[in-house]
Amino acid sequence: AQSVTQLDSQVPVFEEAPVELRCNYSSSVSVYLFWYVQYPNQGLQLLLKYLSGSTLVKGINGFEAEFNKSQTSFHLRKPSVHISDTAEYFCAVSPGGGNKLTFGTGTQLKVEL
Amino acid sequence: GAGVSQSPRYKVTKRGQDVTLRCDPISSHATLYWYQQALGQGPEFLTYFNYEAQPDKSGLPSDRFSAERPEGSISTLTIQRTEQRDSAMYRCASSLVRTEMGETQYFGPGTRLLVL
Repeated sequence: AQSVTQLDSQVPVFEEAPVELRCNYSSSVSVYLFWYVQYPNQGLQLLLKYLSGSTLVKGINGFEAEFNKSQTSFHLRKPSVHISDTAEYFCAVSPGGGNKLTFGTGTQLKVEL
Repeated sequence: GAGVSQSPRYKVTKRGQDVTLRCDPISSHATLYWYQQALGQGPEFLTYFNYEAQPDKSGLPSDRFSAERPEGSISTLTIQRTEQRDSAMYRCASSLVRTEMGETQYFGPGTRLLVL
Protein backbone atom coordinates (compact mmCIF):
# COMPACT_ATOMS: atom_id res chain seq x y z
CA ALA A 1 0.00 0.00 0.00
CA GLN A 2 1.01 3.58 -0.53
CA SER A 3 0.55 6.68 1.60
CA VAL A 4 1.14 10.37 1.02
CA THR A 5 1.88 13.02 3.62
CA GLN A 6 1.41 16.73 3.06
CA LEU A 7 2.44 18.22 6.36
CA ASP A 8 1.41 21.79 5.59
CA SER A 9 -2.35 22.24 5.51
CA GLN A 10 -2.05 25.94 4.73
CA VAL A 11 0.76 28.02 3.25
CA PRO A 12 0.39 31.81 3.13
CA VAL A 13 2.83 33.66 0.88
CA PHE A 14 3.17 37.12 -0.59
CA GLU A 15 2.85 37.68 -4.31
CA GLU A 16 6.14 37.32 -6.24
CA ALA A 17 7.73 35.37 -3.38
CA PRO A 18 8.95 31.78 -3.90
CA VAL A 19 7.00 28.87 -2.49
CA GLU A 20 7.60 25.20 -1.72
CA LEU A 21 4.80 22.75 -0.95
CA ARG A 22 6.05 19.59 0.67
CA CYS A 23 5.07 16.04 -0.17
CA ASN A 24 6.46 12.80 1.24
CA TYR A 25 5.30 9.35 0.34
CA SER A 26 5.76 5.79 1.46
CA SER A 27 5.51 2.72 -0.72
CA SER A 28 6.95 -0.77 -0.91
CA VAL A 29 6.92 -0.65 -4.72
CA SER A 30 8.01 1.88 -7.29
CA VAL A 31 5.50 4.65 -7.82
CA TYR A 32 4.50 7.38 -10.17
CA LEU A 33 4.08 10.81 -8.58
CA PHE A 34 1.63 13.59 -9.36
CA TRP A 35 0.67 17.07 -8.28
CA TYR A 36 -2.89 18.22 -8.89
CA VAL A 37 -4.38 21.68 -8.31
CA GLN A 38 -7.95 22.51 -7.45
CA TYR A 39 -9.29 26.00 -8.08
CA PRO A 40 -12.57 26.96 -6.36
CA ASN A 41 -15.61 25.23 -7.86
CA GLN A 42 -13.50 23.34 -10.37
CA GLY A 43 -12.24 19.79 -10.74
CA LEU A 44 -8.71 18.66 -10.00
CA GLN A 45 -6.25 19.60 -12.74
CA LEU A 46 -2.88 17.96 -13.32
CA LEU A 47 0.08 20.28 -12.71
CA LEU A 48 2.87 17.80 -13.39
CA LYS A 49 3.88 14.18 -12.98
CA TYR A 50 7.00 12.09 -12.55
CA LEU A 51 7.14 8.71 -14.26
CA SER A 52 10.86 8.11 -14.81
CA GLY A 53 14.00 9.81 -16.09
CA SER A 54 15.06 13.27 -14.97
CA THR A 55 14.16 13.87 -11.34
CA LEU A 56 13.30 17.52 -12.00
CA VAL A 57 9.88 17.80 -13.60
CA LYS A 58 8.46 20.99 -15.04
CA GLY A 59 4.72 21.54 -15.19
CA ILE A 60 2.16 24.12 -16.12
CA ASN A 61 1.97 27.67 -14.75
CA GLY A 62 5.69 27.79 -13.90
CA PHE A 63 5.59 25.01 -11.29
CA GLU A 64 8.27 22.36 -10.96
CA ALA A 65 8.89 19.42 -8.64
CA GLU A 66 11.88 17.29 -7.79
CA PHE A 67 11.71 13.58 -7.10
CA ASN A 68 14.07 12.51 -4.33
CA LYS A 69 14.05 8.74 -3.96
CA SER A 70 16.31 8.61 -0.91
CA GLN A 71 14.10 11.05 0.96
CA THR A 72 10.88 9.71 -0.60
CA SER A 73 9.85 13.26 -1.38
CA PHE A 74 8.30 15.11 -4.29
CA HIS A 75 8.17 18.77 -3.26
CA LEU A 76 6.48 21.33 -5.49
CA ARG A 77 8.13 24.71 -6.09
CA LYS A 78 7.51 27.97 -7.87
CA PRO A 79 10.08 30.78 -7.87
CA SER A 80 7.54 33.61 -7.98
CA VAL A 81 3.86 33.14 -7.19
CA HIS A 82 0.91 35.10 -8.46
CA ILE A 83 -2.46 35.86 -6.90
CA SER A 84 -4.01 33.44 -9.39
CA ASP A 85 -2.02 30.56 -7.85
CA THR A 86 -4.29 30.66 -4.81
CA ALA A 87 -5.78 27.17 -4.75
CA GLU A 88 -5.57 23.79 -3.05
CA TYR A 89 -2.73 21.52 -4.12
CA PHE A 90 -2.79 17.74 -3.83
CA CYS A 91 0.14 15.37 -4.10
CA ALA A 92 -0.69 11.84 -5.26
CA VAL A 93 1.01 8.54 -6.05
CA SER A 94 0.06 5.50 -8.06
CA PRO A 95 1.94 2.21 -8.01
CA GLY A 96 3.85 1.43 -11.19
CA GLY A 97 1.58 -1.02 -13.00
CA GLY A 98 -1.45 0.07 -10.98
CA ASN A 99 -4.24 2.54 -11.44
CA LYS A 100 -5.36 3.82 -8.06
CA LEU A 101 -4.29 7.30 -7.11
CA THR A 102 -3.56 7.75 -3.42
CA PHE A 103 -3.81 11.42 -2.44
CA GLY A 104 -2.44 13.48 0.39
CA THR A 105 -4.74 15.68 2.44
CA GLY A 106 -3.92 18.76 0.41
CA THR A 107 -2.19 22.10 0.99
CA GLN A 108 -4.12 25.36 0.69
CA LEU A 109 -1.87 27.97 -0.91
CA LYS A 110 -2.99 31.53 -0.21
CA VAL A 111 -1.17 34.24 -2.12
CA GLU A 112 -1.50 37.72 -0.64
CA LEU A 113 -0.67 41.16 -1.98
CA GLY B 1 -17.47 16.15 -24.61
CA ALA B 2 -14.73 18.64 -23.90
CA GLY B 3 -14.26 17.52 -20.31
CA VAL B 4 -15.62 15.25 -17.62
CA SER B 5 -19.04 16.31 -16.41
CA GLN B 6 -20.92 15.23 -13.31
CA SER B 7 -24.49 15.69 -12.19
CA PRO B 8 -25.99 16.83 -10.03
CA ARG B 9 -23.41 19.26 -8.71
CA TYR B 10 -25.11 19.34 -5.32
CA LYS B 11 -27.44 16.83 -3.71
CA VAL B 12 -29.16 17.06 -0.35
CA THR B 13 -30.99 13.97 0.83
CA LYS B 14 -32.43 12.52 3.99
CA ARG B 15 -30.89 9.61 5.81
CA GLY B 16 -32.20 6.32 4.46
CA GLN B 17 -32.89 7.57 0.94
CA ASP B 18 -31.12 6.22 -2.14
CA VAL B 19 -29.10 8.56 -4.36
CA THR B 20 -27.61 8.14 -7.82
CA LEU B 21 -24.75 10.25 -9.10
CA ARG B 22 -23.81 10.49 -12.75
CA CYS B 23 -20.51 10.87 -14.54
CA ASP B 24 -20.03 11.59 -18.23
CA PRO B 25 -16.35 11.02 -19.13
CA ILE B 26 -14.31 12.43 -22.00
CA SER B 27 -15.66 10.61 -25.04
CA SER B 28 -12.43 8.90 -26.14
CA HIS B 29 -11.52 7.67 -22.66
CA ALA B 30 -11.63 3.98 -21.86
CA THR B 31 -11.09 4.16 -18.13
CA LEU B 32 -13.29 5.80 -15.53
CA TYR B 33 -12.67 6.23 -11.81
CA TRP B 34 -14.77 7.18 -8.80
CA TYR B 35 -13.29 8.84 -5.71
CA GLN B 36 -14.83 9.99 -2.42
CA GLN B 37 -13.46 13.09 -0.72
CA ALA B 38 -14.48 13.87 2.84
CA LEU B 39 -14.12 17.42 4.11
CA GLY B 40 -10.49 18.26 4.82
CA GLN B 41 -9.21 15.08 3.23
CA GLY B 42 -7.80 14.09 -0.11
CA PRO B 43 -9.84 12.04 -2.56
CA GLU B 44 -10.00 8.30 -1.81
CA PHE B 45 -10.35 5.65 -4.52
CA LEU B 46 -13.67 3.85 -4.68
CA THR B 47 -13.71 1.85 -7.92
CA TYR B 48 -12.80 1.99 -11.60
CA PHE B 49 -13.98 0.73 -14.99
CA ASN B 50 -12.22 -0.32 -18.16
CA TYR B 51 -15.00 0.28 -20.66
CA GLU B 52 -17.89 -1.63 -19.01
CA ALA B 53 -15.72 -4.01 -16.98
CA GLN B 54 -15.22 -3.21 -13.29
CA PRO B 55 -11.95 -4.90 -12.27
CA ASP B 56 -11.58 -3.27 -8.87
CA LYS B 57 -14.28 -2.47 -6.33
CA SER B 58 -11.96 -2.63 -3.36
CA GLY B 59 -12.49 0.97 -2.31
CA LEU B 60 -16.29 0.82 -2.01
CA PRO B 61 -16.98 1.37 1.72
CA SER B 62 -19.90 -1.05 1.99
CA ASP B 63 -22.38 -3.03 -0.07
CA ARG B 64 -24.65 0.02 -0.02
CA PHE B 65 -22.36 1.50 -2.67
CA SER B 66 -22.49 0.27 -6.26
CA ALA B 67 -21.39 1.60 -9.62
CA GLU B 68 -22.28 0.81 -13.21
CA ARG B 69 -21.02 1.64 -16.67
CA PRO B 70 -23.23 -0.56 -18.86
CA GLU B 71 -22.22 0.78 -22.27
CA GLY B 72 -18.68 1.75 -21.47
CA SER B 73 -19.36 5.48 -21.44
CA ILE B 74 -21.58 7.16 -18.82
CA SER B 75 -21.28 5.80 -15.30
CA THR B 76 -23.52 6.01 -12.25
CA LEU B 77 -22.66 5.64 -8.58
CA THR B 78 -25.58 4.62 -6.38
CA ILE B 79 -25.67 4.82 -2.62
CA GLN B 80 -28.54 2.95 -1.02
CA ARG B 81 -29.97 3.75 2.41
CA THR B 82 -27.73 6.79 2.77
CA GLU B 83 -26.13 7.57 6.12
CA GLN B 84 -24.76 10.86 7.41
CA ARG B 85 -21.20 9.54 7.11
CA ASP B 86 -21.76 9.29 3.32
CA SER B 87 -21.71 13.11 3.13
CA ALA B 88 -18.73 13.99 0.94
CA MET B 89 -17.63 15.23 -2.46
CA TYR B 90 -17.80 12.44 -5.03
CA ARG B 91 -15.34 12.85 -7.85
CA CYS B 92 -15.23 11.13 -11.19
CA ALA B 93 -12.15 10.98 -13.42
CA SER B 94 -11.37 9.43 -16.78
CA SER B 95 -8.21 8.51 -18.61
CA LEU B 96 -7.37 7.33 -22.09
CA VAL B 97 -6.11 3.97 -20.85
CA ARG B 98 -5.33 2.32 -17.55
CA THR B 99 -2.68 4.03 -15.49
CA GLU B 100 0.06 1.45 -15.98
CA MET B 101 2.24 4.12 -17.48
CA GLY B 102 1.07 6.96 -15.27
CA GLU B 103 -1.68 8.03 -17.65
CA THR B 104 -3.21 11.34 -16.59
CA GLN B 105 -6.63 11.19 -14.95
CA TYR B 106 -8.94 14.07 -15.87
CA PHE B 107 -11.36 15.02 -13.12
CA GLY B 108 -14.89 16.35 -13.23
CA PRO B 109 -16.13 19.13 -10.94
CA GLY B 110 -17.57 16.66 -8.45
CA THR B 111 -20.95 16.12 -6.78
CA ARG B 112 -21.27 17.39 -3.23
CA LEU B 113 -23.60 15.10 -1.29
CA LEU B 114 -25.11 16.12 2.02
CA VAL B 115 -27.09 13.55 3.99
CA LEU B 116 -29.30 15.06 6.67
